[in-house]
Amino acid sequence: QVQLVQSGAEVKKPGSSVKVSCKTSGDTLTGYTINWVRQAPGQGLEWMGRIIPVFGTANYAQKFQGTVTITADESTSTAYMELNSVRSDDTAVYYCARAMYPGLGQFDYWGQGTQVTVSS
Amino acid sequence: QSVLTQPPSVSGAPGQRVTISCTGSSSNIGARYDVHWYQQLPGAAPKLLIYGNTNRPSGVPDRFSGSRSGASASLAITGLQAEDEADYYCQSYDSSLSGSVFGGGTKLTVL
Repeated sequence: QVQLVQSGAEVKKPGSSVKVSCKTSGDTLTGYTINWVRQAPGQGLEWMGRIIPVFGTANYAQKFQGTVTITADESTSTAYMELNSVRSDDTAVYYCARAMYPGLGQFDYWGQGTQVTVSS
Repeated sequence: QSVLTQPPSVSGAPGQRVTISCTGSSSNIGARYDVHWYQQLPGAAPKLLIYGNTNRPSGVPDRFSGSRSGASASLAITGLQAEDEADYYCQSYDSSLSGSVFGGGTKLTVL
């Protein structure tokens, strides 16, 4: 049974960085992409970017270019999302989600979400 | 402003049928990229409901169905049940943005 398990909630000061992890169990990362999606309070889903772990290549939504870095460690089946220079409007629940590669397909498994709160 | 447009809310009585629309453009749904639908219950992560426009993952009741036509897609739910009350999101790929895009979400209320 595939599970994506994310790290715990974070509280950060404005201007700092936050790194969220996403560990896949029940399968390897080979043949999949790991995507990051965030949801601000009371808002909808927003795709941030993805990584193809077998190649180590990532691409990002334009909005997050330069502020988000997505990495992956195939040996531990763990992906990471680091958000730099956080602001109050980065307060959100951050989800990782798996999709098959190659393809532009559906997100079949999701992590449980990580609450990131940015507050001075 | 989401790239894919959904109605903010829909409602229906138990047993009724409701549809949720998802309108895109020539760089996403209109370019024949697949549409996927997710159900998000309160306080939970999204769950895949429909993939590849019309397909249901194992375990999703056949009360849920999807369709696509031109630059739009729809999710239909028949035999509404109280447990269907949730937020629903459509998703596709956008070639101009070179990434996945979501609709703004639709809140379904079962009256």
